[in-house]
Amino acid sequence: QKEVEQNSGPLSVPEGAIASLNCTYSDRGSQSFFWYRQYSGKSPELIMFIYSNGDKEDGRFTAQLNKASQYVSLLIRDSQPSDSATYLCAVILDSWGKLQFGAGTQVVVTP
Amino acid sequence: NAGVMQNPRHLVRRRGQEARLRCSPMKGHSHVYWYRQLPEEGLKFMVYLQKENIIDESGMPKERFSAEFPKEGPSILRIQQVVRGDSAAYFCASSPYSQIKETQYFGPGTRLLVL
Repeated sequence: QKEVEQNSGPLSVPEGAIASLNCTYSDRGSQSFFWYRQYSGKSPELIMFIYSNGDKEDGRFTAQLNKASQYVSLLIRDSQPSDSATYLCAVILDSWGKLQFGAGTQVVVTP
Repeated sequence: NAGVMQNPRHLVRRRGQEARLRCSPMKGHSHVYWYRQLPEEGLKFMVYLQKENIIDESGMPKERFSAEFPKEGPSILRIQQVVRGDSAAYFCASSPYSQIKETQYFGPGTRLLVL
């Protein structure tokens, strides 16, 4: 059974601090990794995707991928109350492109 | 998720009735994925379709659930004889290709409540 694991949280982060979210996956053959943000009662919104080992930055978000350790993370710098949401890690399972999601990490940014 | 349309946004059904959920992919996208999110659970893949073809339905329950994506019109997820356990949010996502690096964009979802 291929799995994607995330800490469920909640992760409480003071406003202005860095939020660090972690995700591990079991399928060593996985190549594509995504972070989605989901507000309560809303649909998932794509934040970042990463395919290569290393860091990828987009605004206040940085995704980090380490394929050897089967680990992908998301950093949110200068956290804002509007970042309070559940963050979903997702991995493409096969060549058809279907996604496997982790259970999500709830982030709460406190003013 | 701009451009992926789903309707209805909310659907209430009584046990035993049928539910029909519709998804129109983004313009230019010919690949549709359906996912289900049960209360307090993560998103689970159900089915992947291209125009007029079901490619992978490995995540869909064998009974009562069916999906189609006709040549013309939206993709439809159909649930016959609904039960309370079918209450969930059903999301559709689309992509232009099914390549392993292609991102999927989600619609707003249909929230099904079975009474």
